[in-house]
Amino acid sequence: NAGVMQNPRHLVRRRGQEARLRCSPMKGHSHVYWYRQLPEEGLKFMVYLQKENIIDESGMPKERFSAEFPKEGPSILRIQQVVRGDSAAYFCASSPTGQGGRTEAFFGQGTRLTVV
Amino acid sequence: DQQVKQNSPSLSVQEGRISILNCDYTNSMFDYFLWYKKYPAEGPTFLISISSIKDKNEDGRFTVFLNKSAKHLSLHIVPSQPGDSAVYFCAASARTGSNYQLIWGAGTKLIIKP
Repeated sequence: NAGVMQNPRHLVRRRGQEARLRCSPMKGHSHVYWYRQLPEEGLKFMVYLQKENIIDESGMPKERFSAEFPKEGPSILRIQQVVRGDSAAYFCASSPTGQGGRTEAFFGQGTRLTVV
Repeated sequence: DQQVKQNSPSLSVQEGRISILNCDYTNSMFDYFLWYKKYPAEGPTFLISISSIKDKNEDGRFTVFLNKSAKHLSLHIVPSQPGDSAVYFCAASARTGSNYQLIWGAGTKLIIKP
């Protein structure tokens, strides 16, 4: 049973380009969470999705950021027109129930985005 | 506004001794707390948790203590082993609507010296 898979592991984008981060949850998990970690800081919640639904996006910046979790395929975190401040590690986690803020959630290895 | 604080960025402990990692929180609505461990270039992995109705939870070498009146929790690792060297994150859970959101501390880097 493969764990949470994120790709790419490292992504370099020039300012103004788009970044697409992918997350395949563990088999049987239909709840996905995205977190961002800035240098020297803890993880910050961004968005919680179930299949085809955004449940909680209270941590998402209002502009340029979007997320989806389609019926088929991985969850995608999309950042349009990236700026240097978007440089961070982005982690995806999945859980079998909607209790990812209550019980153990399983994390991927993260995508390190560098904006140059 | 940091609701969960881990005031020690790093901690160095001799192998075999006790490691104590601390975490303070400000929001009295938090009712569930989790500790995660993170190695470099990997995602966090769950370690141990505690509900606010308890003051202690133990799992092998790991024990978490919760002091609700002080809004403080701590993770004890006894005895400390070289493989325990990692960054430890404290996270607190509060209900937001129909969802539970995790608020994370900035982490403490634990270094176990041989």
